[in-house]
Amino acid sequence: GAGVSQSPSNKVTEKGKDVELRCDPISGHTALYWYRQSLGQGLEFLIYFQGNSAPDKSGLPSDRFSAERTGGSVSTLTIQRTQQEDSAVYLCASSLALGGIVGEQFFGPGTRLTVL
Amino acid sequence: AQSVTQPDIHITVSEGASLELRCNYSYGATPYLFWYVQSPGQGLQLLLKYFSGDTLVQGIKGFEAEFKRSQSSFNLRKPSVHWSDAAEYFCAVGGGSNYKLTFGKGTLLTVNP
Repeated sequence: GAGVSQSPSNKVTEKGKDVELRCDPISGHTALYWYRQSLGQGLEFLIYFQGNSAPDKSGLPSDRFSAERTGGSVSTLTIQRTQQEDSAVYLCASSLALGGIVGEQFFGPGTRLTVL
Repeated sequence: AQSVTQPDIHITVSEGASLELRCNYSYGATPYLFWYVQSPGQGLQLLLKYFSGDTLVQGIKGFEAEFKRSQSSFNLRKPSVHWSDAAEYFCAVGGGSNYKLTFGKGTLLTVNP
């Protein structure tokens, strides 16, 4: 079956512009995650969605970052007024979540964001 | 707070040689442990996971890992490395009711012919 997909695969933008990154999770997975992978920082958790619960936004680095998940499926990560330090690979993952226990996370190929 | 340490940033082995990648974790309860592999330009692929039970877990591509609670370690092993194993390997802790995965910085594996 189809895995997690992300678009675009690459995004180059100018400092100060807004960008939107999209994630399509595996069908039936109720949990969705965003991570950021950058040189020197490794992989960092950004945000977590589970069903209709309020998302855990504790990993978002600033209020320029936001994310939503529509209809419990597709998610969009938005970065406003991009800065050069936002340059990174943004990874999305999804998993099953049953009885409060989340399963293994399946990752998408990522979106490489470059802010000039 | 949970954390993961991968002491080796870069390891080079010859094809056919054995491999061990080290991972030490800090976690306040029974950990859920994972090893992921990332090839250039690719996403993360799960190699294996430990939730409970047998402390020696088998994964895909001939990899295995052993959970040692007394040493807070979860080292990844493979008896004979193939050139296609060249990639970056990440150890992670979390999962279960703690959904935030905390990753180590990764170990880059180079395989010489």
